[in-house]
Amino acid sequence: NAGVTQTPKFQVLKTGQSMTLQCAQDMNHNSMYWYRQDPGMGLRLIYYSASEGTTDKGEVPNGYNVSRLNKREFSLRLESAAPSQTSVYFCASSEVVGGLAGGPGVNEQFFGPGTRLTVL
Amino acid sequence: GEDVEQSLFLSVREGDSSVINCTYTDSSSTYLYWYKQEPGAGLQLLTYIFSNMDMKQDQRLTVLLNKKDKHLSLRIADTQTGDSAIYFCAETVYNNNDMRFGAGTRLTVKP
Repeated sequence: NAGVTQTPKFQVLKTGQSMTLQCAQDMNHNSMYWYRQDPGMGLRLIYYSASEGTTDKGEVPNGYNVSRLNKREFSLRLESAAPSQTSVYFCASSEVVGGLAGGPGVNEQFFGPGTRLTVL
Repeated sequence: GEDVEQSLFLSVREGDSSVINCTYTDSSSTYLYWYKQEPGAGLQLLTYIFSNMDMKQDQRLTVLLNKKDKHLSLRIADTQTGDSAIYFCAETVYNNNDMRFGAGTRLTVKP
């Protein structure tokens, strides 16, 4: 199993250019996520998809769009890149299991290796 | 995320214990997590604790949770150079998909 894969690993864009970050998982997970990681700020959730066909905004969705193409794939699109979007982007997937007495279960997320994006 | 706070750096000697601390603000947190990130890699789940527990032990790792003070800690016994990494505290509330991470603590283990 490859787990969670992301392409590309590195990308340099000019301001105003567009691009799509690709993510795929082979663990048959229902939930998938996109995060960005900035120095001193930890990871911040951009968008997530709780199941195929659904997407929801996270903490920092502005400037991004997502597509849950099928159960395996979840892409992140930057329509008009800005220098503030320079960051490392991580995709993750999970299957929430083990809820107690009908409550929420553990959300163990599996992360891809990341895409380092620089916008000039 | 601003809801979860950690100190940014910790340095210990090989063989000592490391204690990484975290505070969170949402009292309705259901689970609290510790993730590890090695250089150039994504995050990997180390351990988690359900919000109605006080302590969880897993080999060299001990997690302590003080719900009253909203304080979480991770103790690594007999710290090794291979433990050098960034450690992230995270919480989920009832919307279990919205995970909030701290800024991460960079642990450096000196020989």
